[in-house]
Amino acid sequence: AQKVTQAQTEISVVEKEDVTLDCVYETRDTTYYLFWYKQPPSGELVFLIRRNSFDEQNEISGRYSWNFQKSTSSFNFTITASQVVDSAVYFCALSEFQGAQKLVFGQGTRLTINP
Amino acid sequence: GAVVSQHPSWVICKSGTSVKIECRSLDFQATTMFWYRQFPKQSLMLMATSNEGSKATYEQGVEKDKFLINHASLTLSTLTVTSAHPEDSSFYICSARAVLKTSGRDEQFFGPGTRLTVL
Repeated sequence: AQKVTQAQTEISVVEKEDVTLDCVYETRDTTYYLFWYKQPPSGELVFLIRRNSFDEQNEISGRYSWNFQKSTSSFNFTITASQVVDSAVYFCALSEFQGAQKLVFGQGTRLTINP
Repeated sequence: GAVVSQHPSWVICKSGTSVKIECRSLDFQATTMFWYRQFPKQSLMLMATSNEGSKATYEQGVEKDKFLINHASLTLSTLTVTSAHPEDSSFYICSARAVLKTSGRDEQFFGPGTRLTVL
């Protein structure tokens, strides 16, 4: 069975600090997808990234970066120089590579950026 | 492109009534649509997977007679909560899966969600 664990329930930092959100996953599949989504107070999910399991290169997009470590089954997300607008709940998710590609979500991390 | 809409965005109903939620892919045809439920301050849990013209596949613990899913076309799926009760109050989110012509990627796109409150 697939499982995603986000151990950090809530994180609160002061604006401009860097913050890392942890994600650990479990799957028996050899190929799979990993995702990060942002959910602001409005509730609508905002897609941030999709990573396939055979691409372990880290990725950077502006202030966002992702560290994929297959050896430790982790896919951590770092926000550099955080801003108040980054405040939201962030979900890590996992899906099978083939088939229906149903998403399994982690519990979410509520990030609060204080001015 | 790749926009998914849901209607209504919120609904309040009395206990015992049925509520229908629509999920539409506006500018693409979806091979598969998914329905998720999110209770306050909790994660998203998959309820069911539906393909156009066939019966939905429900996740363990989800009552198929209570949550009726109709996938009438490649752009529309509906979720009907029958005989709703206060414990059904939740945020219901759909997603639509498609291979986009522009990118060739097989992706899922989420709707904005429907907040259901049952009094």
